[in-house]
Amino acid sequence: AQSVAQPEDQVNVAEGNPLTVKCTYSVSGNPYLFWYVQYPNRGLQFLLKYITGDNLVKGSYGFEAEFNKSQTSFHLKKPSALVSDSALYFCAVRSSTDSWGKFQFGAGTQVVVTP
Amino acid sequence: DGGITQSPKYLFRKEGQNVTLSCEQNLNHDAMYWYRQDPGQGLRLIYYSQIVNDFQKGDIAEGYSVSREKKESFPLTVTSAQKNPTAFYLCASSTPEGGNTIYFGEGSWLTVV
Repeated sequence: AQSVAQPEDQVNVAEGNPLTVKCTYSVSGNPYLFWYVQYPNRGLQFLLKYITGDNLVKGSYGFEAEFNKSQTSFHLKKPSALVSDSALYFCAVRSSTDSWGKFQFGAGTQVVVTP
Repeated sequence: DGGITQSPKYLFRKEGQNVTLSCEQNLNHDAMYWYRQDPGQGLRLIYYSQIVNDFQKGDIAEGYSVSREKKESFPLTVTSAQKNPTAFYLCASSTPEGGNTIYFGEGSWLTVV
């Protein structure tokens, strides 16, 4: 069975400081990993994904994520946070052994960026 | 524009009523999904469909029903058997192969009155 853990319910950071949102996973086979952002009363928006290749993935709005196979992690990062980055962030995984696209989502991490 | 359209955005249900949430996509995706999100919580899978005229139960299917008569459409009915239906409902779609991304609609709020 596949699973995703986001160990922090909330991350607080001052504007201009680096932002990190943590994600660890467990899958059989190779993982496909995704990050999404959700603003209040809105759907989830895709930020970036790791499928294969370079472990550092760059995505939308200045976000990036690093795939670490040995630590089974896929942490989301942004060098300099903005107040507008305040939102709910979800990590998701699916397995390369799945014949179709069933995704497992983490519980979400609320990011609060203060001016 | 390509995307997933959910309607209505806000819906109120009386006790004992069935209500249907609409989901339409023009992304030509084979797979479609329904998720439930409760305030401050993550996503839970209700139903999913790989192809027209086929669908499977997710983790919390009791009290819900779906149909998939067209590739573009995957409506969700919340029946009176669902005892706690107040939640935010998200429809999504993807192509099933490999690492393809799952895309979401804007969601529908259902409240029991």
